[in-house]
Amino acid sequence: DGGITQSPKYLFRKEGQNVTLSCEQNLNHDAMYWYRQDPGQGLRLIYYSQIVNDFQKGDIAEGYSVSREKKESFPLTVTSAQKNPTAFYLCASSIPPLRQGAGNGELFFGEGSRLTVL
Amino acid sequence: AQSVAQPEDQVNVAEGNPLTVKCTYSVSGNPYLFWYVQYPNRGLQFLLKYITGDNLVKGSYGFEAEFNKSQTSFHLKKPSALVSDSALYFCAVRGPTYNTDKLIFGTGTRLQVFP
Repeated sequence: DGGITQSPKYLFRKEGQNVTLSCEQNLNHDAMYWYRQDPGQGLRLIYYSQIVNDFQKGDIAEGYSVSREKKESFPLTVTSAQKNPTAFYLCASSIPPLRQGAGNGELFFGEGSRLTVL
Repeated sequence: AQSVAQPEDQVNVAEGNPLTVKCTYSVSGNPYLFWYVQYPNRGLQFLLKYITGDNLVKGSYGFEAEFNKSQTSFHLKKPSALVSDSALYFCAVRGPTYNTDKLIFGTGTRLQVFP
């Protein structure tokens, strides 16, 4: 079945450690996204990528890094510079990026990764 | 700037009664609006979207939403609520540029349907 796979589902990290969250999709989508979810704050965009080897900062990119070496994969690294990394992280993808006046932008989400910093 | 607001943190409704989850938006240009649902510890699932056309949009699981341009609202509705509808609901609007699919989400509304 086509979909988005995030791993691990749960992750514990000590302060000062970097951790990488995996996101893989087999939907042949060009665009991929990372969102962070905190209670009462909804979803906030960390990074997004519209094409391989290119990515853009979202609203809360500080302390995070990404890569997009393959169309199927968009890993997120939570670095030690992220001051409050405990959160639920959601990866998403979409059909080819909108062109002006075309498309409709529905996102397909993975099941999420819950990161807890001890 | 594009934004959406969900004024209610929680909505409680009895099973079988109609439900409404509210969303208002602020956009420059034509609004592209979405509703998503999230069950505990899961990702978001797409329910429905408004791009253009009829103001009443029908979506998954019997949900519908009414686009109201004059009130800048996009409320989610269902004629008869089920206990299984209990979840977190997010309204979203497409970002400010037309060559990206990135969505801006509201803070979410928790729907609780009581038997």
